[in-house]
Amino acid sequence: GAVVSQHPSWVICKSGTSVKIECRSLDFQATTMFWYRQFPKQSLMLMATSNEGSKATYEQGVEKDKFLINHASLTLSTLTVTSAHPEDSSFYICSARALGTGGPQETQYFGPGTRLLVL
Amino acid sequence: GQNIDQPTEMTATEGAIVQINCTYQTSGFNGLFWYQQHAGEAPTFLSYNVLDGLEEKGRFSSFLSRSKGYSYLLLKELQMKDSASYLCAVMDSNYQLIWGAGTKLIIKP
Repeated sequence: GAVVSQHPSWVICKSGTSVKIECRSLDFQATTMFWYRQFPKQSLMLMATSNEGSKATYEQGVEKDKFLINHASLTLSTLTVTSAHPEDSSFYICSARALGTGGPQETQYFGPGTRLLVL
Repeated sequence: GQNIDQPTEMTATEGAIVQINCTYQTSGFNGLFWYQQHAGEAPTFLSYNVLDGLEEKGRFSSFLSRSKGYSYLLLKELQMKDSASYLCAVMDSNYQLIWGAGTKLIIKP
């Protein structure tokens, strides 16, 4: 149980194009999904927190107009990198948290990640 | 501010035991998580502690002392495949995860 999928796993695109990444919780409902970015040999960096049916909360320094997040259902969140540039090249990872108010249900389960390379 | 501290890197020998420590200072506490992350992959969930004491799960055990703001992950009978980064994360009073920078564990034959 607690499987999170992410699609695509790899993206190579030209500078200026937009890229959409999907994150799905396959066997549980996720009230909250998280989007992280990780540069090589660095820590996970939380970009935004997404609650189903409401606007995402972005971390300081993350441009909400550049990284569009849509959490349309309890099993799907999407991240769109608009007008991508080479500096956006990174490993993007989503995670999903199950319903609950505490305890193991609050565990975040991670998708496999998406590698984005902008040329 | 909120802070999670763990060693940057540790080295251990195959078959041995290693303990990875994590200390934290957060606004409230709703549990502590340990995740494993192999190079180039996403993190995978290892353990969750919310009460003081030791939780054992096969070769891995996790300990928590809330009064000391301290946890450790104990790995026994180390295998080469245990070479990975181990991330400590604390859930604060707003149910937000505060992440440590991770400990890179290197296993030598």
